[in-house]
Amino acid sequence: SQQGEEDPQALSIQEGENATMNCSYKTSINNLQWYRQNSGRGLVHLILIRSNEREKHSGRLRVTLDTSKKSSSLLITASRAADTASYFCATDQTGANNLFFGTGTRLTVIP
Amino acid sequence: DAGVIQSPRHEVTEMGQEVTLRCKPISGHNSLFWYRQTMMRGLELLIYFNNNVPIDDSGMPEDRFSAKMPNASFSTLKIQPSEPRDSAVYFCASRQTRTYEQYFGPGTRLTVT
Repeated sequence: SQQGEEDPQALSIQEGENATMNCSYKTSINNLQWYRQNSGRGLVHLILIRSNEREKHSGRLRVTLDTSKKSSSLLITASRAADTASYFCATDQTGANNLFFGTGTRLTVIP
Repeated sequence: DAGVIQSPRHEVTEMGQEVTLRCKPISGHNSLFWYRQTMMRGLELLIYFNNNVPIDDSGMPEDRFSAKMPNASFSTLKIQPSEPRDSAVYFCASRQTRTYEQYFGPGTRLTVT
């Protein structure tokens, strides 16, 4: 399968804590993206990290990429109840013209 | 911009009926993607278009599924005849060729009884 895999499948934390989600993939990539999906809604793009980058920040989001291990992590700091959603990684693979989405991590932030 | 528009938002139909899902991409975006999402299989790419031309339809489950993009502002996904296993949320997404992020519509929740 060309899909990525997220770990854990589900994560439950208290408001204010940090949430870390991991993504592993199998092929060489041009970039890796993270998306959020609120229940009953479409996916929303959060952040993109290119294959030659190792870390990127956007607000409370921090993404790392290790191409040697074919893995990425998404850290959400100081979580809020509104961060409750499913988070997907998606790989833009070399030679492909579309994204391959992972299986997602369901994050619940308890107020 | 209104974002990607999909219609209908919900569709309930009986097995054997024809179903047509519609998508209007963001103006200026020239790539369009159709996905299907289920609990069992996650998010699957069905087909994508570049400049209205189908590039890869290898994800289309079978001949009962067909997709068209007659112009840059409209695409349809048709299922004929529909089956209960087609029940899922169908998403349309678009992007500009030279950018990487995709913009998703709100989805169409299809229930086939």
